[in-house]
Amino acid sequence: SQKIEQNSEALNIQEGKTATLTCNYTNYSPAYLQWYRQDPGRGPVFLLLIRENEKEKRKERLKVTFDTTLKQSLFHITASQPADSATYLCALDHNNNDMRFGAGTRLTVKP
Amino acid sequence: KAGVTQTPRYLIKTRGQQVTLSCSPISGHRSVSWYQQTPGQGLQFLFEYFSETQRNKGNFPGRFSGRQFSNSRSEMNVSTLELGDSALYLCASSPSSRLAKNIQYFGAGTRLSVL
Repeated sequence: SQKIEQNSEALNIQEGKTATLTCNYTNYSPAYLQWYRQDPGRGPVFLLLIRENEKEKRKERLKVTFDTTLKQSLFHITASQPADSATYLCALDHNNNDMRFGAGTRLTVKP
Repeated sequence: KAGVTQTPRYLIKTRGQQVTLSCSPISGHRSVSWYQQTPGQGLQFLFEYFSETQRNKGNFPGRFSGRQFSNSRSEMNVSTLELGDSALYLCASSPSSRLAKNIQYFGAGTRLSVL
């Protein structure tokens, strides 16, 4: 069956450290993968997109990798801040315009 | 540009009733998708509409239906509500161009509670 698994439900790290979130998928062949941020009481907000032929993408303190052999994407936040505390969701394209999401990882950055 | 607007923000219904949720996409966006979000199941895809036609559908029973109007506004209907339908219902619009790669722009959601 098809699955999208994000490494853990919750991740706690100290301010200034690098947060690494994992997204693994099974029985999908996505052409691209996206990462979103969701704050309580709000809808998810798009952060980054990475295509299947790209190994790595960066945006400010964010970095995403995409390994189609391992069927895995890693999402890094460097020099993390308490304001980075949120739930992070990965999403991949299932069928052209049909996006499928993981359950998310709740990140807490402690000062 | 105004963002995606969902109404109402909160709803309380009882089992057996039906409910209609509304979504106004970002101006110019022709694709509208609906998702159900619960703590246990995460964000689950319901369906996607483009130019008034349902293009994709998730694995939900027929009690869940939707439609899209000519101005791209969309509605979602749930009939014969069950307790398990309590969730945050999110609408997302997308430019649906190859360049945009189906980036989803979400509304704040409608929180539905079924008693």
